Amino acid sequence: DGGITQSPKYLFRKEGQNVTLSCEQNLNHDAMYWYRQDPGQGLRLIYYSQIVNDFQKGDIAEGYSVSREKKESFPLTVTSAQKNPTAFYLCASSILGLAGGRPDTQYFGPGTRLTVL
Amino acid sequence: AQSVTQPDIHITVSEGASLELRCNYSYGATPYLFWYVQSPGQGLQLLLKYFSGDTLVQGIKGFEAEFKRSQSSFNLRKPSVHWSDAAEYFCAVGAGNKLVFGAGTILRVKS
Repeated sequence: DGGITQSPKYLFRKEGQNVTLSCEQNLNHDAMYWYRQDPGQGLRLIYYSQIVNDFQKGDIAEGYSVSREKKESFPLTVTSAQKNPTAFYLCASSILGLAGGRPDTQYFGPGTRLTVL
Repeated sequence: AQSVTQPDIHITVSEGASLELRCNYSYGATPYLFWYVQSPGQGLQLLLKYFSGDTLVQGIKGFEAEFKRSQSSFNLRKPSVHWSDAAEYFCAVGAGNKLVFGAGTILRVKS
């Protein structure tokens, strides 16, 4: 059964702690993405990766870090430097892109809700 | 810069009524356009996409969307809404190797 898994579904963290969110895909997709979702703001891109061992900052990368050591995995660490980390986090993947660098369809995981206490 | 505007934050329709959700985009070249749906606490599911060709695109769950270049719009339609369509809907435009999303429209269905 192909798809994207995110764990855990709910995560609670104390202020000042780092926390890592997991994202795994078995779709053999090259590209993976992390988004943050807040009510009324749509999805905002945190980081993305198009190839193993390479990743780029999105629009709101401050306070976050990622790694891409395997094609299937793209974990996101929310660091203590992120001032307002409580949000819903979505991971997505896609094939690398269409001709001319245009984006192809992104497929989303079920999300992780992070709450900072 | 690329952007997507969904003018309606909330829409309420009666079950069985028709639906149109508006989406306007800003993009310099021919856009790649997407509509996604999200149930509460879930990930996003692709409803349909437009890359090229026929400007009327059919999707899953009986949805369709029409690309109108002159109006920079990609509105989503459904002829008869079901209670299970209640969700949040996102329009997105492909920009470089990324997607830019609108803020979403929450659809409520009343019986």
